[in-house]
Order: sequence, then structure tokens, then C-alpha cells
Amino acid sequence: QVQLVESGGGLVKPGGSLRLSCAASGFTFSDYYMSWIRQTPGKGLEWVSYISSSGSTIYYADSVKGRFTISRDNAKNLMYLQMNSLRAEDTAVYYCARDLTGYAYWGQGTLVTVSS
Amino acid sequence: QSALTQPPSASGTPGRRLTISCSGSTSNIGSYTVNWYQQLPGTAPKLLIYSNDQRPSGVPDRFSGSKSGTSASLAIRGLQSEDEADYYCAAWDDSLNGVVFGGGTKLTVL
Repeated sequence: QVQLVESGGGLVKPGGSLRLSCAASGFTFSDYYMSWIRQTPGKGLEWVSYISSSGSTIYYADSVKGRFTISRDNAKNLMYLQMNSLRAEDTAVYYCARDLTGYAYWGQGTLVTVSS
Repeated sequence: QSALTQPPSASGTPGRRLTISCSGSTSNIGSYTVNWYQQLPGTAPKLLIYSNDQRPSGVPDRFSGSKSGTSASLAIRGLQSEDEADYYCAAWDDSLNGVVFGGGTKLTVL
């Protein structure tokens, strides 16, 4: 069965960095676009970034452009989100999801808290 | 502010029918299909409706979706207590080159 497991969340000070990972299993990872979506506490969902199956096409939400970098390792079935220059407003649960849109599979989420 | 507009809350009594609206623009709903997600407390969102009106396997046929122009709707008939959740619409957006979500609708079953 398809499984997505995020890791790497935690508490970080403003201006700090964190790298999230998403481990995929149960499907041919290299065949699928992958996405990061976040949810701020008590609020709604926000698309963050996506990466094509080969990694050649990448897009970011304006709110994270220039600070976050998405990448993937198809040999290891892993996707990453490198988050730099973190701000308080980046505090959220970060989910990885399979596909470009119509996310049928989500991970359980990892909490990122940006606070001094 | 979300690019897609949903009512923040909705409520209904068990057994009744309820609809949740989602309003967008020509750059999103007007040009692309709409997906709906259900999020139960403390869990990840679950795909409820895709491509405007298609149900993934396992989703009860009490849930249905529709789209007209730059708006979409999720209908739930025969409301049940377990339908209490947050519901989000989403669509691709040309100006974003990404997915835009609605702000979510919290459904209460009275």
C-alpha cells in the first residue's frame, strides 16, 4: 500500500534552517510528481512546492520562493524540503503528498515551529 | 486570503442534505477541475472528490461534487455525525503555477 512518511520537523529559531524528508513506499516513486503542502495551526491548507518525477520541473509558492528548496532522490524514494531563513509565519504542519494535484495520498505530517 | 472562497462554517441535522460552495476565478476553477478534501480532527486531509464530480474508491455516494463556471459545490446527502470535519476545495491556478485551496468549511452535524 502507498505510504508517505515525513520527518525532520521541530523547533527552530527565526532565521534558522530545517530539512524535511518524505519517505515513499508502495508505488514507483520515480513515476510521480510530488508536492509539499502546509497547514498553519488552526487554519487552512497552503500549497508550498512541487517537483516533477525526474526533478526537472519545480515550482514554489511566492511565500517561500527563494528560501525553500525542494528536491528528490529517486534511487532512495525520498523527497526533501530544505527550509532556510525561517520565519514565524512558516510555523505549520508540513505534509508531503503524491501527485501534482488531486492528492490521493498524504503523509501524516511533521510539525515545524519557528519561535525564539 | 485564500484564492478560493468557501463559507467558514456549515451545519445540518442528521439525514438532511447540505451543500458547501467554493468560488474562484477564471485562472483556477474556470479553467481547471476541482478537488474536494475532507479533514477529520487530528488527521491528514483525505481526497473526497476529484475532477469535479468523481469519487475515489471507498467514498460513499452520499458525497457528490459539481462545477459551473468559476464555482463549485460539494453536496452531502443523508448527513451523518461522522461527517463532522473540515472540507476544502482546491484547483490548479495559472497565476500561481500551483494549487490553490479554499479556506475550508467546518461542518457541524447538530
